[in-house]
Amino acid sequence: KAGVTQTPRYLIKTRGQQVTLSCSPISGHRSVSWYQQTPGQGLQFLFEYFSETQRNKGNFPGRFSGRQFSNSRSEMNVSTLELGDSALYLCASSYSNGVGYGYTFGSGTRLTVV
Amino acid sequence: TQLLEQSPQFLSIQEGENLTVYCNSSSVFSSLQWYRQEPGEGPVLLVTVVTGGEVKKLKRLTFQFGDARKDSSLHITAAQPGDTGLYLCAGAGGTASKLTFGTGTRLQVTL
Repeated sequence: KAGVTQTPRYLIKTRGQQVTLSCSPISGHRSVSWYQQTPGQGLQFLFEYFSETQRNKGNFPGRFSGRQFSNSRSEMNVSTLELGDSALYLCASSYSNGVGYGYTFGSGTRLTVV
Repeated sequence: TQLLEQSPQFLSIQEGENLTVYCNSSSVFSSLQWYRQEPGEGPVLLVTVVTGGEVKKLKRLTFQFGDARKDSSLHITAAQPGDTGLYLCAGAGGTASKLTFGTGTRLQVTL
């Protein structure tokens, strides 16, 4: 079966702009989570969506938002980009909540803010 | 805030050697997962452990969950170059669906 697909793979944006990243989960997976990975902070949880509802949220500013569509595809948006937002953004999907089943991650979107 | 500390941070060994990676926390987790990540890719799930004291084996990899469900270890026997990568432990608390990732252990196995 197809894995988790994230688009685009690479993105370069200027400070102050906004960006939208997309994630298509594995077919049948209803939970989609987003993580930010940086060399200094490692992997940090952004938010999780299940059946179009945000079920959990990490400690990120309101500039970071997301949504999930009825087909379980998810998007995350970052507004007013800052240099510190440069990171690998990873999407992960799970059949349920991932606690028992584990997550399948996509290859990520590498965002560079200049 | 739940934190997961991994040790060592870096490990460079030769093919055939054994190694152990540790993942420690002061918090209790309902389950703990181990992932391996290669450059330019997302983490790949290796195992999930849910019961205190549980031991799982995956070929040359042995995973153990501490009795108190606060720590875990990953032991690799006879390491191979294909084991090279970033190893991450990740804990889940209660019914919450978010994972708290460890600080990571970067392993390099040379011929």
